[in-house]
Amino acid sequence: AQSVTQLDSQVPVFEEAPVELRCNYSSSVSVYLFWYVQYPNQGLQLLLKYLSGSTLVESINGFEAEFNKSQTSFHLRKPSVHISDTAEYFCAVSVSSYGKLTFGQGTILTVHP
Amino acid sequence: EAGVAQSPRYKIIEKRQSVAFWCNPISGHATLYWYQQILGQGPKLLIQFQNNGVVDDSQLPKDRFSAERLKGVDSTLKIQPAKLEDSAVYLCASSLRQSEKLFFGSGTQLSVL
Repeated sequence: AQSVTQLDSQVPVFEEAPVELRCNYSSSVSVYLFWYVQYPNQGLQLLLKYLSGSTLVESINGFEAEFNKSQTSFHLRKPSVHISDTAEYFCAVSVSSYGKLTFGQGTILTVHP
Repeated sequence: EAGVAQSPRYKIIEKRQSVAFWCNPISGHATLYWYQQILGQGPKLLIQFQNNGVVDDSQLPKDRFSAERLKGVDSTLKIQPAKLEDSAVYLCASSLRQSEKLFFGSGTQLSVL
């Protein structure tokens, strides 16, 4: 079985500051890794994914995450956040390329002006 | 394209009552998922359908929860009778095929009093 731990339940930051949301996973088999974002009153949206290849993956809105197999981590980073990045972020794993997802507990990112 | 549609958006019931949620996936999507998201936790998979067949219902509390997707299109999730611990957001997601990208609906927020 797989499990995902998001180490911070809430992360408050000021606008234009850098941010890192931490995610660690546990699995006895190889997994695929995802970050989903949930804006207020909206459904979950895929932010970025690691399926294979380069361990550093990027989203279209400036987020990036690096797959670290030795540390079983997939931390999400952004060098400069905006107010509009305020949302809840979920790390997830799957043993198939998408398929059934096992989610972490979520991290609420609040960006203050 | 139209997204995953869910209704109702909110539902408040008393314990021991019955409730049903409806999901209409994106047109042509063969795979449909129901997730339960309890406050402060990540979504947990309840059941996965491939067309009108069940692929995985190992985490569905079958003594009170049931789900169907009779024509392989829309789906209904039912709880009978509801307990206080069933208070959660119920998310529906669909994908074109298994191991393809998931698209989530906005969810149904259930409060059991």
